[in-house]
Amino acid sequence: QKEVEQDPGPLSVPEGAIVSLNCTYSNSAFQYFMWYRQYSRKGPELLMYTYSSGNKEDGRFTAQVDKSSKYISLFIRDSQPSDSATYLCAMAMNRDDKIIFGKGTRLHILP
Amino acid sequence: DGGITQSPKYLFRKEGQNVTLSCEQNLNHDAMYWYRQDPGQGLRLIYYSQIVNDFQKGDIAEGYSVSREKKESFPLTVTSAQKNPTAFYLCASSIGGRNGANVLTFGAGSRLTVL
Repeated sequence: QKEVEQDPGPLSVPEGAIVSLNCTYSNSAFQYFMWYRQYSRKGPELLMYTYSSGNKEDGRFTAQVDKSSKYISLFIRDSQPSDSATYLCAMAMNRDDKIIFGKGTRLHILP
Repeated sequence: DGGITQSPKYLFRKEGQNVTLSCEQNLNHDAMYWYRQDPGQGLRLIYYSQIVNDFQKGDIAEGYSVSREKKESFPLTVTSAQKNPTAFYLCASSIGGRNGANVLTFGAGSRLTVL
């Protein structure tokens, strides 16, 4: 079983829809969870950073961590064409520990 | 503006040639990293450095070399020993240490194509 599993997509949704992106993981020691957004031919940029279980909201974005299920989600409300990108989940056990990345989900928001 | 500059953005190489990718940061970050990104493979760690004059191998270091002579600079050399070098290479940095190593800032990437 891979450490981090992420559906590569592509996921196509109409503008204005709520998008749900997900990752599952196998290592219960992971405590720090991140979502990066990567536009085509660009480097990833940090979108959300959370510690342990719970929700974190930032504008239209909500990150959710369910450690009991080893499942993390990123929700995008009122999706825009500018949200079209690849979204990478990432996680680590400690703040100074190696980061494990998912393979990324390609998202297309259709105007 | 603070950030990470990678150059060149695109690079073509003939088989058997070494090439060096540049990475410079003005964020005053202690730690720097090189990742390789291939379609369907996600990000794989090549080398990382937590302090000047020190670096460690990542998961796929074979065929690559690095140096860290200055805090701001972490160049990556792709040697002729790397069997499949065509890829998108990403440099990243972080504050490092026990409280900030896993918040990464990435450069825009360098795409290497071997002809």
